[in-house]
Amino acid sequence: AQSVTQLGSHVSVSEGALVLLRCNYSSSVPPYLFWYVQYPNQGLQLLLKYTSAATLVKGINGFEAEFKKSETSFHLTKPSAHMSDAAEYFCAVTPSGGYQKVTFGTGTKLQVIP
Amino acid sequence: DTGVSQDPRHKITKRGQNVTFRCDPISEHNRLYWYRQTLGQGPEFLTYFQNEAQLEKSRLLSDRFSAERPKGSFSTLEIQRTEQGDSAMYLCASSSPTHLTSGANVLTFGAGSRLTVL
Repeated sequence: AQSVTQLGSHVSVSEGALVLLRCNYSSSVPPYLFWYVQYPNQGLQLLLKYTSAATLVKGINGFEAEFKKSETSFHLTKPSAHMSDAAEYFCAVTPSGGYQKVTFGTGTKLQVIP
Repeated sequence: DTGVSQDPRHKITKRGQNVTFRCDPISEHNRLYWYRQTLGQGPEFLTYFQNEAQLEKSRLLSDRFSAERPKGSFSTLEIQRTEQGDSAMYLCASSSPTHLTSGANVLTFGAGSRLTVL
């Protein structure tokens, strides 16, 4: 079964600083990987997805993530944090090939300090 | 399309009562998922439907929980004899055939239904 581990339940960065949210996956078959964001009182929204087409994936709002098979990682980065980035971020995994449930990590809450 | 709608947004009930949540997915999405989210945790899979067929149920879904999607459109999640441990946010998501999304199962979530059991 697939799973993801998010390191750090809370991350604080200064406005304008680099954002790095860590995610490691465990999967016996090549997975598809996702990052979702949840703003307060809103549903989860897809930030980006990895489907084996390219290892560096760009998403919305300036976020990107790199799939590293050797490290079983899919860390989320953004060069310069904005106050509006404050939210909870979830890494998720599913087996490749669709029609499978998506398994989520426990989430990382990002705080942006002005 | 207005996205995935969930109703009610908030429900407070007494232990032992039954509650029902409704989810209206995006109309062209053939798959519908229910997840549960508690404070400090990620969404936990409960069950999913492809059209009207319920294809998978988690072990988290005890016999007090039942989900239906009778006509392959909206879905209901009923919890019978609620317990305090059922207090959580119940999330519904839907997804379209994966050939439309680079083969990936991209979920579109509703805002959730928050259940508080007193």
